[in-house]
Amino acid sequence: DTGVSQDPRHKITKRGQNVTFRCDPISEHNRLYWYRQTLGQGPEFLTYFQNEAQLEKSRLLSDRFSAERPKGSFSTLEIQRTEQGDSAMYLCASSFRGGEEAFFGQGTRLTVV
Amino acid sequence: SQQGEEDPQALSIQEGENATMNCSYKTSINNLQWYRQNSGRGLVHLILIRSNEREKHSGRLRVTLDTSKKSSSLLITASRAADTASYFCASSNDYKLSFGAGTTVTVRA
Repeated sequence: DTGVSQDPRHKITKRGQNVTFRCDPISEHNRLYWYRQTLGQGPEFLTYFQNEAQLEKSRLLSDRFSAERPKGSFSTLEIQRTEQGDSAMYLCASSFRGGEEAFFGQGTRLTVV
Repeated sequence: SQQGEEDPQALSIQEGENATMNCSYKTSINNLQWYRQNSGRGLVHLILIRSNEREKHSGRLRVTLDTSKKSSSLLITASRAADTASYFCASSNDYKLSFGAGTTVTVRA
């Protein structure tokens, strides 16, 4: 399977715990995006990378959130001190160029209890 | 916050009928894209229309774009039960996609 893969698919955590999600993009894609989606809403942009450089972060990405893409390959999204409001689907996508067709992973569904 | 709106929010049609949904966006774009999402899954790209195009077809899909009104429409012809999903438009500038809240389409057999 050469699509975008995300791990884990589901995560249940207690409030206050830290969680980390991983995204493996399509190998030749330079752009990598993180989105968050809550029930009944469309995906909301969080951040994106051009190779290993993080070029923009949404104001939705509070200081409890951090994302990395070491060596321009896979990416991780960490949420520290999780809150119930962090419960959502976290989607990763990649594209060859900015603004072109994006390929999405299946998402990581986070539930904070 | 969402950068666009889809209309209607929900649509229920009989198999074989056509489904039309509309999208409005707020800022200037390079292109506009439509995606489909089955329940609890990732998004799948359907079609991309560039800002200098007015209409595009792909299989049973027809997309129009009116940049003067900042709006687009997606038509699915001869719908099938498998078309049941949520459909999102995404306005695209140089670096990111901005999605609307989506239209939920239910195709009844």
